[in-house]
Amino acid sequence: DSGVTQTPKHLITATGQRVTLRCSPRSGDLSVYWYQQSLDQGLQFLIQYYNGEERAKGNILERFSAQQFPDLHSELNLSSLELGDSALYFCASSVNVGVKNIQYFGAGTRLSVL
Amino acid sequence: DAKTTQPTSMDCAEGRAANLPCNHSTISGNEYVYWYRQIHSQGPQYIIHGLKNNETNEMASLIITEDRKSSTLILPHATLRDTAVYYCIVPRTNFGNEKLTFGTGTRLTIIP
Repeated sequence: DSGVTQTPKHLITATGQRVTLRCSPRSGDLSVYWYQQSLDQGLQFLIQYYNGEERAKGNILERFSAQQFPDLHSELNLSSLELGDSALYFCASSVNVGVKNIQYFGAGTRLSVL
Repeated sequence: DAKTTQPTSMDCAEGRAANLPCNHSTISGNEYVYWYRQIHSQGPQYIIHGLKNNETNEMASLIITEDRKSSTLILPHATLRDTAVYYCIVPRTNFGNEKLTFGTGTRLTIIP
C-alpha cells in the first residue's frame, strides 16, 4: 500500500459527460501529480500541484483541469469526454521537490467512455 | 529527462537473479537514476534510486557504472510476483517540474 488513495477505482460514463477523479496523497506529501495511461500512449504526465499551487503542466488537454485543496487532496476534472479519454489515470505524491523526488502512486482510476 | 535505453523484454527463471540493464549516456553530473515497476495495470511502484554509488534496499540493488552512463537493476531472487514492466528514469534536474517521463521499459517475465 503506497498510502496514496484514488477514488473511484472504476468509472463508466458516456461521451460528452464530465467526471471528477479524486486523489488523497500520503500524509505529509505536498506535491501531487496526475498521469494518464492509455494503451497507445503509455504513461504520460498531465499536471503537478505543490501545496495548492500549479507547478508544472504536461500535455494536458484544455478539457481537463485539476486543483489541489487546502487539505492537499487533489481532483482531476475531465469534461466533454471523448472515447479517446478512456484510460487509467494515476495520481502520485511526493514530499520533496527538486533533485531527490520519490513519487508514490495510487492504484489508479480506470475510466471507460462509451 | 535524460534519454534512457532499455531492452524491450527479458525472461528470468524463478529463484535466479534478474539483471535489468539501462543506458543513460546523456546523464548529467547531479542527476539521479530511478527505477520503478508496474505490475499489470497497477500503479507504478518505486524500487530504488542512486547517484553514483551502488545502492541496495529490501527490494533490489542498483549498480551504476563509474562513468554513470549505464546502470543495472538487480532483483537477487526473482519470484513470480516480480513479473512486471520495469522503468529506468533519469529526471532532469529542473526545479519547478519534477515530472517522471516513462518510456517503454523492460517487460520482465519470471518463468516458473
